Amino acid sequence: NAGVTQTPKFQVLKTGQSMTLQCAQDMNHEYMSWYRQDPGMGLRLIHYSVGAGITDQGEVPNGYNVSRSTTEDFPLRLLSAAPSQTSVYFCASSRQNTEAFFGQGTRLTVV
Amino acid sequence: AQTVTQSQPEMSVQEAETVTLSCTYDTSENNYYLFWYKQPPSRQMILVIRQEAYKQQNATENRFSVNFQKAAKSFSLKISDSQLGDTAMYFCAFPFFGNEKLTFGTGTRLTIIP
Repeated sequence: NAGVTQTPKFQVLKTGQSMTLQCAQDMNHEYMSWYRQDPGMGLRLIHYSVGAGITDQGEVPNGYNVSRSTTEDFPLRLLSAAPSQTSVYFCASSRQNTEAFFGQGTRLTVV
Repeated sequence: AQTVTQSQPEMSVQEAETVTLSCTYDTSENNYYLFWYKQPPSRQMILVIRQEAYKQQNATENRFSVNFQKAAKSFSLKISDSQLGDTAMYFCAFPFFGNEKLTFGTGTRLTIIP
C-alpha cells in the first residue's frame, strides 16, 4: 500500500517563486490536511479538506492555496515564496474517528 | 479552541529504563480521541497509540501505554523497557470533531542513552 505520497522530499526556492507540493492518498479517506512543522512549535494546520470540492483554512493559511478536485489529491500551492515559509511540510489523510496517516514530509528552504 | 500542552521539551533516559512523557489538553467536548505520534530522525510521523475518551481502560500497545485522566485532561505516555529505537520526537495530538484536523503539542525530544 502506498498510503500517503508526498512530493518532492526536498525543495529550494528563491524568494518570490511559486511552487506546488503534491499529495495523494490511495486509502479513500475523506479528510486531508496540510501542516507545517517549525522548531519548537509542533505541527500547525495550514489548510484542510473534508471532501472533494470542500476546503477550509487552518491556523496558518496566509501565503498558501489549496484545492481538492478529487478524493485522492490535495495539492498545496505557495503563491510567492517568502523566507518565513522555510519549514517542513506534511500532508495527512484520515477518515472519521481514525488516526491520521502522514506523508514523508517536504523540507522547503526559501532563500 | 482546543489546546495541547507538552511541558517537557527534552528528556533522556538510559536504555531499558521506563520514561513517562506528559501531555495536557483543553476541550469542551465529551467524546473524543487522543493520539501519540512518534517522529524519528527519518522525519516520518508514526502513530504510537490512541485513546478513546469514552473508554475507562487505558490503551496499551506492547511497551507503550497511556495514563488517561479525563477529568484532569491529562494524557501521558509511558514507555517501558526503553530501546535505542525509541529515540525520537513525540507529539501528543487532539483531533477536532470527526478527526478532519489535529491540534499538536510542541513535542518532546526523547533520547535513549546506551
